[in-house]
Amino acid sequence: GQQVMQIPQYQHVQEGEDFTTYCNSSTTLSNIQWYKQRPGGHPVFLIQLVKSGEVKKQKRLTFQFGEAKKNSSLHITATQTTDVGTYFCAGPPNNFNKFYFGSGTKLNVKP
Amino acid sequence: DGGITQSPKYLFRKEGQNVTLSCEQNLNHDAMYWYRQDPGQGLRLIYYSQIVNDFQKGDIAEGYSVSREKKESFPLTVTSAQKNPTAFYLCASSHRRGEQFFGPGTRLTVL
Repeated sequence: GQQVMQIPQYQHVQEGEDFTTYCNSSTTLSNIQWYKQRPGGHPVFLIQLVKSGEVKKQKRLTFQFGEAKKNSSLHITATQTTDVGTYFCAGPPNNFNKFYFGSGTKLNVKP
Repeated sequence: DGGITQSPKYLFRKEGQNVTLSCEQNLNHDAMYWYRQDPGQGLRLIYYSQIVNDFQKGDIAEGYSVSREKKESFPLTVTSAQKNPTAFYLCASSHRRGEQFFGPGTRLTVL
């Protein structure tokens, strides 16, 4: 069945260091979305990528969608304590409408 | 204000009881979703609905039931057949394959 995996599961960084999480799907996705969930909160949408090879930036965050539309990455430059949380990727397969969420990467930033 | 609401925030259930979790949205979204999140884990899809009076099973539908009689509402019933229901339940809505808006969630505990 459909699987969306993320690595690493956990990442502890010193404030100012960079951070990257990788997302891999077992099947082609029609689009990829990224969400952030703060501790005790609910997921909040960050961005959606649709095109093969697409790259989008939001301030210190850079998102990429792979050429085969089966993988994606989120890179944070110079992390801050406000970046703490769990980052999830999610996407619908090409021929279905339901979403599959990745397993998530929990980021901890030490001040 | 437009948004998605869930109630109650906390719910305690005795073993053998059915309980219903409420989810309402005024975003005029066609699609609605129910997810389960266990501590430190990702989101697993329980049920989803693309249109009124229609819904589909997700990956972990056993022991749960839903209805979609109105566009705005998508209640989830956790039945006594669900053997391990203690979890954080999240409801979301979206336009077709678009950004998902999440409610604040309901924490269900079985006593």
